Amino acid sequence: NAGVTQTPKFRILKIGQSMTLQCTQDMNHNYMYWYRQDPGMGLKLIYYSVGAGITDKGEVPNGYNVSRSTTEDFPLRLELAAPSQTSVYFCASSWERTGELFFGEGSRLTVL
Amino acid sequence: EDKVVQSPLSLVVHEGDTVTLNCSYEVTNFRSLLWYKQEKKAPTFLFMLTSSGIEKKSGRLSSILDKKELFSILNITATQTGDSAIYLCAVLINTNAGKSTFGDGTTLTVKP
Repeated sequence: NAGVTQTPKFRILKIGQSMTLQCTQDMNHNYMYWYRQDPGMGLKLIYYSVGAGITDKGEVPNGYNVSRSTTEDFPLRLELAAPSQTSVYFCASSWERTGELFFGEGSRLTVL
Repeated sequence: EDKVVQSPLSLVVHEGDTVTLNCSYEVTNFRSLLWYKQEKKAPTFLFMLTSSGIEKKSGRLSSILDKKELFSILNITATQTGDSAIYLCAVLINTNAGKSTFGDGTTLTVKP
């Protein structure tokens, strides 16, 4: 049982490049989330989804996009990368409304 | 705007000490408060608190919620070096989306 799997673990991008962070969970959770964590800070919600085909913006959605075509997968797309997007990104999932989040191991992204 | 504030931001203690970490919140539509421990990678779940005055306990860790004064504390007794981590407090909002608002965390360092 793998839980929440994120790829890649590390990536360096140049300003203006685009990329997709992949997230897959095998716990059949309907709820999935993308957070970013900047140094010394807590987690800020980027986007979330309550089920396949349904996504919505969190606190800091600018510069990102998501899709949710299946229950298992919730990729995060960065368009036109900027240095401000340098961060550690966490994908998480949960049972409906229980609140306990199961996290992936994180993806460290650097934009130069 | 929902807000979760943790204090102190960082703490250095010696093995065997007892520590108290604080989390205060101002949110609309509170559902529950959660504590997570973050070592090198992803946060892992510690406690979920929904009712005031009921202590949750796991080994040397315990936590309690005061819904009247809008805060929670996390106690760690007889600290060990393995307790060194970032401790994150999150408040789950009572919506269909199961969204959590995180504090900035308390970085605990336990010295031998």
